[in-house]
Amino acid sequence: EVRLVESGGGLVKPGGSLRLSCEVSGLTFSNAWMTWVRQTPGKGLEWVGRIKSRIDGGTTEYAAPVKGRFSISRDDSKNILYLQMNSLKTEDTAVYFCSNLSPNWPHFWGQGTLVTVSS
Amino acid sequence: QSVLTQSPSASGAPGQSVTISCSGSSSNFGRNAVIWYQQFPGTAPKHLIYSNDRRPSGVPDRFSGSKSGTSASLAISGLQSEDEADYYCAAWDDSLNAWVFGGGTKLTVL
Repeated sequence: EVRLVESGGGLVKPGGSLRLSCEVSGLTFSNAWMTWVRQTPGKGLEWVGRIKSRIDGGTTEYAAPVKGRFSISRDDSKNILYLQMNSLKTEDTAVYFCSNLSPNWPHFWGQGTLVTVSS
Repeated sequence: QSVLTQSPSASGAPGQSVTISCSGSSSNFGRNAVIWYQQFPGTAPKHLIYSNDRRPSGVPDRFSGSKSGTSASLAISGLQSEDEADYYCAAWDDSLNAWVFGGGTKLTVL
């Protein structure tokens, strides 16, 4: 069974930092391109960024609203994906999901973790 | 404003069929495969369709996807009350270098 479990969400003040984790089991994590997607309460889905597998270069790409503030990394020895969020803004308040999102293969999502940015 | 355009709502009676449409552009649908998601309140999206028209195991064949040019559709036949949910389309956009999503369609089963 494939499982993705996000953690690390919580309440943080504007300008603060937070690191989210996504523990993955049941798939070959090291081969997976991993993605973060967020959803503002009551709104639609927004792509945050992704990291390719190490064999495909391990490079990262980010959505414009988070570029320069957010950083995605991975620990293939622990099967964990990370999202480091700095200089947080109120508009970053959302549920954050991790996924091995792929256009051409079945894929899976975690249950999400809520990040609230508020003073 | 979402890059992919979906009607905000759709509806149908139990047993009927409904089609949800999604409009994109040459930089996303024109070059890349479409995914469709179903989402219930408070839960993670679940993919119904990948690679334009493929169903993951466990998804009933009442759900089918298609793509033509820069438009895609999700068809649901034999509507059931449990199909009432939000539906999203998604694709990689080569110009934006980003995954893009539709704004979602809320399906109501009358």
